[in-house]
Amino acid sequence: EVQLLESGGGFIQPGGSLRLSCAASGFTFSSYAMSWVRQAPGKGLEWVSGIYSGDSSTFYADSVRGRFTISRDKSKNTLYLQMNSLRAEDTAIYYCAKDRAAAATTGFECWGQGTLVTVSS
Amino acid sequence: DIQMTQSPSTLSASVGDRVTITCRASQSISSWVAWYQQKPGKAPRLLIYKASFLQSGVPSRFSGSGSGTEFTLTISSLQPDDFATYYCQHYNSYPITFGQGTRLDIK
Repeated sequence: EVQLLESGGGFIQPGGSLRLSCAASGFTFSSYAMSWVRQAPGKGLEWVSGIYSGDSSTFYADSVRGRFTISRDKSKNTLYLQMNSLRAEDTAIYYCAKDRAAAATTGFECWGQGTLVTVSS
Repeated sequence: DIQMTQSPSTLSASVGDRVTITCRASQSISSWVAWYQQKPGKAPRLLIYKASFLQSGVPSRFSGSGSGTEFTLTISSLQPDDFATYYCQHYNSYPITFGQGTRLDIK
């Protein structure tokens, strides 16, 4: 069974940093593209960042480029999101999502349960 | 960036109804569209990819169509489990964007 388990969320002051993790199991982690998608309280879905398999090309939403970094450790089957210079508008549930394909985005076929990040003074 | 505009924002319907949700892209995106269902407190679930391909395990009452800039998600006969919020998503290019969502309520 495919499972994605996020961790690392919490309460942080503006300007602070957090690193989210997503532990993957039940599939060949190294063979699929992965993404982070967030959802602010009561709002819609916002894609944040993605990473391909293979060459590990990375992609970012304009709202987080230069502040967030996505990475993956294939030896640990874990996806990461390093979040720096956090702002109040980054407050959201952050979901880890597995793509259907390796080197493209073709639809997120599996999602974790999400981890809540709250940025507030 | 490509914008995805869904309509309606809210839809009230009854069990057994046929419902259609529309998504319009701000530029042509071929068939690079997915549809998701989300229930309160839960992660989204992939229903349709590449505009019209049914994801494994999704009931056949769900269908998708369209290409270019106009896309639709249709539920042929609403079931009690279908009352949820639905999102379209394009993946034609980065950044990927979602529609604002359509909440499907029980009439």
